[in-house]
Amino acid sequence: EIVVTQSPATLSVSPGERATLSCRARQSISSNLAWYQHKPGQAPRLLVYGASTRATGIPARFSGTGSGTEFTLTISSLQSEDFAVYYCQQYNNWPPYSFGQGTKLEIK
Amino acid sequence: EVQLVESGGGLVQPGGSLRLSCAASGFIVSSNCMSWVRQAPGKGLEWVSIIYTAGSTHYADSVKDRFTISRDSSKNTLYLQMNSLRAEDTAVYYCARDVGASFPAYFDYWGQGTVVTVSS
Repeated sequence: EIVVTQSPATLSVSPGERATLSCRARQSISSNLAWYQHKPGQAPRLLVYGASTRATGIPARFSGTGSGTEFTLTISSLQSEDFAVYYCQQYNNWPPYSFGQGTKLEIK
Repeated sequence: EVQLVESGGGLVQPGGSLRLSCAASGFIVSSNCMSWVRQAPGKGLEWVSIIYTAGSTHYADSVKDRFTISRDSSKNTLYLQMNSLRAEDTAVYYCARDVGASFPAYFDYWGQGTVVTVSS
């Protein structure tokens, strides 16, 4: 199983500022990484796949970068609706799918 | 429009059974790999099980030999039969559609989830 680790666990950022979330895989997963946004009581929402391709309807302020073992999700100018928990997920080696433990993005 | 609607959650005693359903619309459930993913209270997302388009299945080690994933094409519905339930199975259970047909990848659609509580 490929272990995926996210950091930080919690990130406090003010609206309008930039947020940078990290995801690290214990071994290379090429670009086979997705990012999801999850709000309480809602279904998780796909943001990015292939490490850097935004899903349909995702605003341009969300951008993903990285390959191999190091990945980043950047939200360029935080809006109020962006405060949520974010998960990365590797799909290079399966089963099982591996999710990171999540980063909670909270209002500073 | 693709929609996934889970049902069947509830309160069950340890050792009991429960069957979750996920009614799909907007696509044919057997045309994509489909998974169940859960989130225990205060925890992150944990993949539980997958059924491939060909019908084969895989399970997380934590549920192997206790849970069974299946689908009914006539009802366009995904199921998760959960037996020998334990307190640690308490979670919100989501069904999720994989973009992959031939092999799994990432999830483009998720349901709203159904809550399973295992407690005496």
